[in-house]
Amino acid sequence: NAGVTQTPKFQVLKTGQSMTLQCAQDMNHEYMSWYRQDPGMGLRLIHYSVGAGITDQGEVPNGYNVSRSTTEDFPLRLLSAAPSQTSVYFCASSGTGGTQYFGPGTRLLVL
Amino acid sequence: EDQVTQSPEALRLQEGESSSLNCSYTVSGLRGLFWYRQDPGKGPEFLFTLYSAGEEKEKERLKATLTKKESFLHITAPKPEDSATYLCAGANAGNNRKLIWGLGTSLAVNP
Repeated sequence: NAGVTQTPKFQVLKTGQSMTLQCAQDMNHEYMSWYRQDPGMGLRLIHYSVGAGITDQGEVPNGYNVSRSTTEDFPLRLLSAAPSQTSVYFCASSGTGGTQYFGPGTRLLVL
Repeated sequence: EDQVTQSPEALRLQEGESSSLNCSYTVSGLRGLFWYRQDPGKGPEFLFTLYSAGEEKEKERLKATLTKKESFLHITAPKPEDSATYLCAGANAGNNRKLIWGLGTSLAVNP
């Protein structure tokens, strides 16, 4: 099992550009989520999904879109990148027990 | 409002010097208290889940305990490879998948 995978590992964007952060899991987990982690702010929930076709907003959803067409994949889209979105992004998945398993992260720099 | 507070923010130990990390929580109807380890540049790695006061779990040099107000992560005779940031998170009765995260304790173990 690969667990939770994320691509790319690192990305530099210019303000206004768009991009998609990819996340996939092979554990057949229904729940998937996206976090951002910033110094002094901890992990903050951006969006989450409780199953294919179902998504909802977390704590800091503005500027991000998600969709969940399959159980395995949960991409995060930045429509028009801003410097405030410079951060490290983590994808996580969990089964019925609630324990979340994290991917390795994507480090994003917006200039 | 649900909240998780970790202390201290940072801790420096000598190899072999045992200590404890604290996680205080006010989470309505706690459905689980989670401990994770995070190494620099990596995603959080799951350590333990505790569900009820009095519960204890151990893994190598780590032991996690839970009371009605706080959780402790005891580190016995730490080694330099135990250096990491330790994160605590709680799940409330409303949604055991949307975790409330602490800011973490950064542990450094000197040889």
